[in-house]
Amino acid sequence: NAGVTQTPKFQVLKTGQSMTLQCAQDMNHNSMYWYRQDPGMGLRLIYYSASEGTTDKGEVPNGYNVSRLNKREFSLRLESAAPSQTSVYFCAGARGLSSNQPQHFGDGTRLSIL
Amino acid sequence: GQQLNQSPQSMFIQEGEDVSMNCTSSSIFNTWLWYKQEPGEGPVLLIALYKAGELTSNGRLTAQFGITRKDSFLNISASIPSDVGIYFCAGLGAGNNRKLIWGLGTSLAVNP
Repeated sequence: NAGVTQTPKFQVLKTGQSMTLQCAQDMNHNSMYWYRQDPGMGLRLIYYSASEGTTDKGEVPNGYNVSRLNKREFSLRLESAAPSQTSVYFCAGARGLSSNQPQHFGDGTRLSIL
Repeated sequence: GQQLNQSPQSMFIQEGEDVSMNCTSSSIFNTWLWYKQEPGEGPVLLIALYKAGELTSNGRLTAQFGITRKDSFLNISASIPSDVGIYFCAGLGAGNNRKLIWGLGTSLAVNP
């Protein structure tokens, strides 16, 4: 997964703290995505960006904000972390939104909210 | 939200056995994707399918896009210990809602 890089890999926060998860890709992807993965729930889309300058809500956007800083970078921000946001967060990129553009994933950020 | 029905949920097999898993949906998809996730890593794309009836192989892995466009199958032949992981299917529908729909995964354990 060298093409999509997520930082940090691990983080522990206290309830109410803020945090920005970083994602950068060097695969010239136009679209980028943030997912969370919880046991028994599979991958759920938080936000996505179809192209530089645009962002849209996914399935579970509440409590999160995103910024598509440039074509390479797509960050996810938790303004006031809650224990329910304890999860593994994955960033993904794809060349586009069309049906022949598979998504490629980073290795994840493991976030614990105490 | 919409999800795919992926089965089985888990499998425990002996090395050398063949494995089959599948995903079904009530909706028609234009693309089916199969990913594998190993512990501590993100999902890695194994096979992408773009046409109904399409049969595609990647080494010992073979996947098929169901003719009804509502299902897909992944087969692994002659399993080895490094096949251990969680296998996810994902589908992409037509229209403007171009978000991947994910299955909940099949966890595969291989006994050497």
